[in-house]
Parts: sequence; C-alpha cells; structure tokens
Amino acid sequence: DGGITQSPKYLFRKEGQNVTLSCEQNLNHDAMYWYRQDPGQGLRLIYYSQIVNDFQKGDIAEGYSVSREKKESFPLTVTSAQKNPTAFYLCASSQQGFGYTFGSGTRLTVV
Amino acid sequence: AQSVTQPDIHITVSEGASLELRCNYSYGATPYLFWYVQSPGQGLQLLLKYFSGDTLVQGIKGFEAEFKRSQSSFNLRKPSVHWSDAAEYFCAVGARYGGSQGNLIFGKGTKLSVKP
Repeated sequence: DGGITQSPKYLFRKEGQNVTLSCEQNLNHDAMYWYRQDPGQGLRLIYYSQIVNDFQKGDIAEGYSVSREKKESFPLTVTSAQKNPTAFYLCASSQQGFGYTFGSGTRLTVV
Repeated sequence: AQSVTQPDIHITVSEGASLELRCNYSYGATPYLFWYVQSPGQGLQLLLKYFSGDTLVQGIKGFEAEFKRSQSSFNLRKPSVHWSDAAEYFCAVGARYGGSQGNLIFGKGTKLSVKP
C-alpha cells in the first residue's frame, strides 16, 4: 500500500547536535511538506517542496534545513541553531489540490 | 489574508450525543475544504473533503460536513459520538493552484473529549 513513512518515531538530541528526520513516500506525489506541532499551536509549516531539487521556506524555517534530491524523499535536519527543537514533527505529501497525506510523525526531545 | 478559524479550542460531549465542530475560513478563491483527525501521538488522517458539487459531504467514521459559501463555513457534524472519536480535529482550506498558492492553510484545531 502507498503511504508516507517517517523515521524514527522517537528521537533524542543532545545540546549542540544536528539530527536528521527521515520522510519517504511511495505515492508518486510531487509536493512534500514538513510541519512542527506544539501543544495548542496547531501545525506550523517549516519547509515545503513542490518539485525535486527545489524547496521553499515556510513560516518557521530558522534552525532547519532540507533537501529534495529524489521525488520520494524529503529529509529534515534540525540544526544546533534551533534553540527549542523539542516538538512533534509531521511530514506530508500531496498532488496539487487533492489534500495532504501525512506520516505518523517523529517526536524529537532534547536531552 | 487567507485564514482558517476554529473557534472552539476544546469541546466535551457525552457519548451518544450529537457533535458539531465549527470552521470558518477567509480565502480569495473558490476553496477546497478538508477536515482531518489526529489521535495522540499520531499523524493526521483525512476525514472528508469538499471540492465542488453537493455542499453536504460524507466522510469516514460517520462524519459529514456542510459547505456554506454565504457564511464561509465548513462545519463538521456527527449524529452520535462514540468514545473512540476523542481526538483533535483540524479544518484546512486550499485550492488547486500550482506552487505555494496551492498549499493548505490549517486551523489551530479543536480537541474533542467524550464523556462516558
């Protein structure tokens, strides 16, 4: 079955470390998205990509980086510049206008 | 500015009671409208969507929503709530545009609690 896979489900980061969250889709969707979710704040867009080798900053891109070298993959790196990275991260993909399909999320905790 | 408002942050209903979750939007073009549900620690699952045609749309798990253009609303309803419906619900609006104009705009969510 087609879908989106996020890994790992839980991730722990030490202060000053970069960590990378994986997002893979086999839906043949062109667009992919990364959201951050904090309690009571809904979904906040970090980065999105409408096509391979191109991506755009969302509302809260500072301290994050992405790449889109393959249509299926859109990894998110949380850099040491992100001062408050503890959150739930959601990846999504879409074909334009048909709504998003979401992964099951990665919970990142700073230790 | 384009936006989605879910006025109720938290709603509690008794099991078996009816449910209505409100969603209002501000959008420049003809909107595509969506409702998603999220269980704790999980991703978002699509409940239903409206693109065009009949303004009353049916979704999964017995949910329905009605698009009212004059009121810029897309409220979610269920006639009889089950304990398993306890979750957070998100309304979203978008359009079939290319590029970033087609990105969905999400409301901040309504958390539903169900009393036994």
